[in-house]
Formats: sequence, structure tokens, C-alpha cells
Amino acid sequence: AQKVTQAQTEISVVEKEDVTLDCVYETRDTTYYLFWYKQPPSGELVFLIRRNSFDEQNEISGRYSWNFQKSTSSFNFTITASQVVDSAVYFCALSALNNAGNMLTFGGGTRLMVKP
Amino acid sequence: DSGVTQTPKHLITATGQRVTLRCSPRSGDLSVYWYQQSLDQGLQFLIQYYNGEERAKGNILERFSAQQFPDLHSELNLSSLELGDSALYFCASSPGSYNEQFFGPGTRLTVL
Repeated sequence: AQKVTQAQTEISVVEKEDVTLDCVYETRDTTYYLFWYKQPPSGELVFLIRRNSFDEQNEISGRYSWNFQKSTSSFNFTITASQVVDSAVYFCALSALNNAGNMLTFGGGTRLMVKP
Repeated sequence: DSGVTQTPKHLITATGQRVTLRCSPRSGDLSVYWYQQSLDQGLQFLIQYYNGEERAKGNILERFSAQQFPDLHSELNLSSLELGDSALYFCASSPGSYNEQFFGPGTRLTVL
């Protein structure tokens, strides 16, 4: 069975602060993918990143960066210099590469509020 | 805009009724997925179709069924609706069976 835990249910920061969203996962599969999705107040789910289990390189995209550590089964997401538009619920998800298809197992989400 | 379309955007119905949610995947995507988002259960995978065939099944109730048509659009049928079925239902699509999934705007179902 797979499990994704986002221990932080809600985080509040002031604009321009850096913030890190934690994600811890559990899986018995050796090959898997990790994802982050953003759900703004409008409700849609926006894909942010996909990482495979063999690639532990950190990734940076503008103000966003991701830290994947297999040793601790974590895939954390950092927003640098946060902005009000970053306010949203962020979901971490896991998908195993097996014959059972491509189901995403989501964490409970972290609600990020960025105050001006 | 992800390119995935879902209709209707909102649906209000009564207990015991049956509804159909429709999804059109992004152009060229062969896989379609359905997810349910509710306050108590969070985001849960329901079912995946790949090129017309069922590929994976999650915690989908027997009262729910889905299919993917030859033109690759998909429908999710929910019957004998209960209050607890009120949720946001998302459709997602991907090019193959193991790529990142792009989500539609969702259909908000309210069962009264």
C-alpha cells in the first residue's frame, strides 16, 4: 500500500518569506513517481512537478524548488520570496510504476496562506 | 487551462437520482482518470481508462461506473445518489499510462 503524509495542514506566512511544505511518502515499490499539485481558490488542480525515484537531483524552477531525499522518503517543496498569488492548497502525490496503472495517491494537502 | 474539459461545472440533484459527468481529455491523450475530492476523504482515485479499456480501479463504489468512448472522451455515471456523494469530481488525462496527469476544472456535485 502507498501512503503520502503532509503533516502541515495549514501554514501562514507574510509576503516575501520563504516557506517549505513537507511531504513524506511510503511505498514498497522500487520505481515510483512523486508529484506536487497546486489547488488555488478557483478549485482546479495545477501540475507543478514530477520526479522519478531514480532521480534525486534537486530541482529549481523560478521561485520554486524541490528537495527529494530517498533516504528519508521525503519530497519537500520550497517557495522562495512568497507572494499572495501563492496562496493555495498544495498536494503531494505518489504513483508507482507497476501493472496496476497510474493511480495517484494524494496527501491530505497543505493550505498555504500568504498575507500581504 | 490544462486542456481537459469537464461538463457540467455544477450539478445539484436529489438523493436516489442518477447523474452523468462528462470529460474530454487533452488532444492526443489516451489515458483518462477520475478522482473524487471530498472534505472527509480528501482526493481519492476512482478509475483509469487507457485507450478505451479499464486500466486501474481504486475505491470506486459499485453504484458508480465509467467508460471511455472511441473518441476518447469519458463519462462517469453515479447512481442511487446519497448525501455523502456530494463532492468535487475531477477528470485528468495523460498521453500514456504512466505520465503526469493534467486535471480538468472539476464538476461540483451537490446531492440534496
